[in-house]
Amino acid sequence: DAGVTQSPTHLIKTRGQQVTLRCSPKSGHDTVSWYQQALGQGPQFIFQYYEEEERQRGNFPDRFSGHQFPNYSSELNVNALLLGDSALYLCASSLIRGQEGGYTFGSGTRLTVV
Amino acid sequence: AQRVTQPEKLLSVFKGAPVELKCNYSYSGSPELFWYVQYSRQRLQLLLRHISRESIKGFTADLNKGETSFHLKKPFAQEEDSAMYYCALTNQGGKLIFGQGTELSVKP
Repeated sequence: DAGVTQSPTHLIKTRGQQVTLRCSPKSGHDTVSWYQQALGQGPQFIFQYYEEEERQRGNFPDRFSGHQFPNYSSELNVNALLLGDSALYLCASSLIRGQEGGYTFGSGTRLTVV
Repeated sequence: AQRVTQPEKLLSVFKGAPVELKCNYSYSGSPELFWYVQYSRQRLQLLLRHISRESIKGFTADLNKGETSFHLKKPFAQEEDSAMYYCALTNQGGKLIFGQGTELSVKP
């Protein structure tokens, strides 16, 4: 089992551009959550997808959007990138919105906005 | 407001010494509490959950609802315990709220 897979591992973008990050959940998991981790901080919840719908959302602007596909994989899209969006973006998968156990995290995508 | 506080950014101990990583939380309902660990160059991984009451790698954590704390303890630290430790809580819907993390450094 490969666990949670995220791509790409690193990405450099220019201010104002758009970016798409991808996540494949652990086999058997149906829920995907996205987190932003700034340097020296704990992960901050962005949103959660279950049954292809956004179920919960953290305190992030509408520039952050996502999608979940029928195979449970997910994308995180960020529009109009700002320098402050530079961070490690983590994907976490779980079963039934976390009710069946803990969360499995991917290695993350390191986004740098210049 | 839902919040997790880890007051120490860095905790440095010698091998064989006891370790206590502090975690306090604020939450209006009955949260589920976790400790996650991130070893150097590895992904974030679950260490333990309060509902399972397990001891993982010699670590234990007791939920104290009166003090709203969930401190992580180990009686004898090992060098391989050096890592970033994050306390987190979750609400009914599965959103994880993390503390800022404590870096544990175990010196030989």
